[in-house]
Amino acid sequence: KQEVTQIPAALSVPEGENLVLNCSFTDSAIYNLQWFRQDPGKGLTSLLLIQSSQREQTSGRLNASLDKSSGRSTLYIAASQPGDSATYLCAVTGNQFYFGTGTSLTVIP
Amino acid sequence: GAVVSQHPSWVICKSGTSVKIECRSLDFQATTMFWYRQFPKQSLMLMATSNEGSKATYEQGVEKDKFLINHASLTLSTLTVTSAHPEDSSFYICSARDSQLAGTTQYFGPGTRLLVL
Repeated sequence: KQEVTQIPAALSVPEGENLVLNCSFTDSAIYNLQWFRQDPGKGLTSLLLIQSSQREQTSGRLNASLDKSSGRSTLYIAASQPGDSATYLCAVTGNQFYFGTGTSLTVIP
Repeated sequence: GAVVSQHPSWVICKSGTSVKIECRSLDFQATTMFWYRQFPKQSLMLMATSNEGSKATYEQGVEKDKFLINHASLTLSTLTVTSAHPEDSSFYICSARDSQLAGTTQYFGPGTRLLVL
């Protein structure tokens, strides 16, 4: 069974810092990997989707990479802002979505 | 873009009552919808896969007689929590897959927070 782990579980950084969130998965037979943002008590907002044949995707200050062979993905956030504070979830798609445990990010003004 | 709605967004009920949560795809048809549950500070866990016109497929450990799923149309799936108890209090999120598109992309609803007193 696919297991998805995210490190760190929580992260607190001052505004303006660049940061990296990590996601690892145990089964490399995936269709794609997706990064989501979840604000407290809210649903999911899709940030980036990387197909299994791709290495990375970029959207604004966000860059996500995928190394399927090693079962890893990273989400890079440049020049962090207080509005980036949220929980970030990665999910891999095989027969179903498998969600990671999430990283709770706090960006301090 | 594809939009999925859920109703209600918030529900508080007494122990022993049943609660129905609706999941609708607003601008696309969804043969397949998914129901997830999220406990505080935990990630989303898939409860069941809902297929239009057929029985839902439940994940291991999810009681199908307690969590009734009906997917009677291509735009609506409902989850009914029967005889709810405080331990059923959770955040329930649905997602839907566009029937017209190939691939596995799911569009997520905003979630329904259930509190059972």
